Amino acid sequence: NAGVMQNPRHLVRRRGQEARLRCSPMKGHSHVYWYRQLPEEGLKFMVYLQKENIIDESGMPKERFSAEFPKEGPSILRIQQVVRGDSAAYFCASSPNRDMNTEAFFGQGTRLTVV
Amino acid sequence: EDKVVQSPLSLVVHEGDTVTLNCSYEVTNFRSLLWYKQEKKAPTFLFMLTSSGIEKKSGRLSSILDKKELSSILNITATQTGDSAIYLCALPDSGGSNYKLTFGKGTLLTVNP
Repeated sequence: NAGVMQNPRHLVRRRGQEARLRCSPMKGHSHVYWYRQLPEEGLKFMVYLQKENIIDESGMPKERFSAEFPKEGPSILRIQQVVRGDSAAYFCASSPNRDMNTEAFFGQGTRLTVV
Repeated sequence: EDKVVQSPLSLVVHEGDTVTLNCSYEVTNFRSLLWYKQEKKAPTFLFMLTSSGIEKKSGRLSSILDKKELSSILNITATQTGDSAIYLCALPDSGGSNYKLTFGKGTLLTVNP
């Protein structure tokens, strides 16, 4: 049973480009969470999705950021027109239920660098 | 707003030393406290604490919660170089969701041979 898979591991984008980050949850997990870790900061919640539904996007910036978790395929976090402040590590976690406690697992993260 | 503060921010020790990491919190609705280990990759779950005074233990690692002091400690005895990592403390937010965690900035532990 593979863990939570994120790709790419590292992504470099120029200002103004789009960044697409992918997350494949663990087998049997239908709940996906995205967190962002800015330099010198703790992990911060962005969005919670179940298959085809956004449950809670209260941590997402209002503009340029969007997330989806289609019926087939990985969850995607999309950042349009990236700026230097978007440089961070983006972590995805998955769980079999609506809970980030003991049964949730994190992926290895995507480190986004905006140049 | 929920707050989690970890101390120290960084710590350098020698193999064999014992370390104590601290986590203090301010939340309006406490339900649990989680500890994670983050090496240069995914944060991995260590412990979940819900009750004061009950020690959770896993090998050389142990943790205990003090609800009166609004804090928790993580102890690592006989440290090894493989213990070098960032240790994160987190709490579910006071709004009732168990998926929205508030994390501290972490303690960077470096264990030298």
